[in-house]
Amino acid sequence: QSVLTQPPSASGTPGQRVTISCSGSSSNIGSNFVYWYQQLPGTAPKLLIYRNNHRPSGVPDRFSGSKSGTSASLAIRGLRSEDEADYYCATWDDSLSGPVFGGGTKLTVL
Amino acid sequence: EVQLVESGGGLVHPGGSLRLSCAASGFTFSNYEMNWVRQAPGKGLEWVAYISASATTLYNADSVKGRFTVSRDNAKNSLYLQMNSLRVDDTAVYYCARALSGFADSNYYYYVDVWGKGTTVIVSS
Repeated sequence: QSVLTQPPSASGTPGQRVTISCSGSSSNIGSNFVYWYQQLPGTAPKLLIYRNNHRPSGVPDRFSGSKSGTSASLAIRGLRSEDEADYYCATWDDSLSGPVFGGGTKLTVL
Repeated sequence: EVQLVESGGGLVHPGGSLRLSCAASGFTFSNYEMNWVRQAPGKGLEWVAYISASATTLYNADSVKGRFTVSRDNAKNSLYLQMNSLRVDDTAVYYCARALSGFADSNYYYYVDVWGKGTTVIVSS
């Protein structure tokens, strides 16, 4: 059971906008920044969003992050087939004194 | 190019030991906090261990406390994970992961920004 809750799956058609949610508590998302990682099949995770809504160099602006209270969201607009991957949210947990991850959301591009 | 390369994974019997290594290159290793993160087959990511840049502070997840020990050799640009008393549920891909930390907007931040490709540990009789 992951500390952060994500829907196990999401889907969309090419060109659509999809959002993936991540729910936590006051000891994690509520008091810390949120991060998002993309894991393409058979590869290591890759940083997609840092400090709630910042994109590392090279990440397309189709990807955006937001946070409100104890929840966060990743939005992908202009969905493309290469976006098919697992997406994980992450943050620091003050109670556990360590980083925590969501259970991951498998995004399917129909 | 920033790179992390893990090695040392393999098949081990329950109760056995294994030592994972991670070779870092392309950045000043001694300046960075490091972590081990694992992923069981078909499952999500789980943080395992943390070590500060100078190795003065170590943290382990409760699931591995007393069994796993993280260490580093800054002269060799290397990170290690000594795993003892291995259990079947330790079976996973183990990732070496670089972390960034600091303050932004008066808020503390800590996150993994670079991942290795991982090494696979299988614990089975």
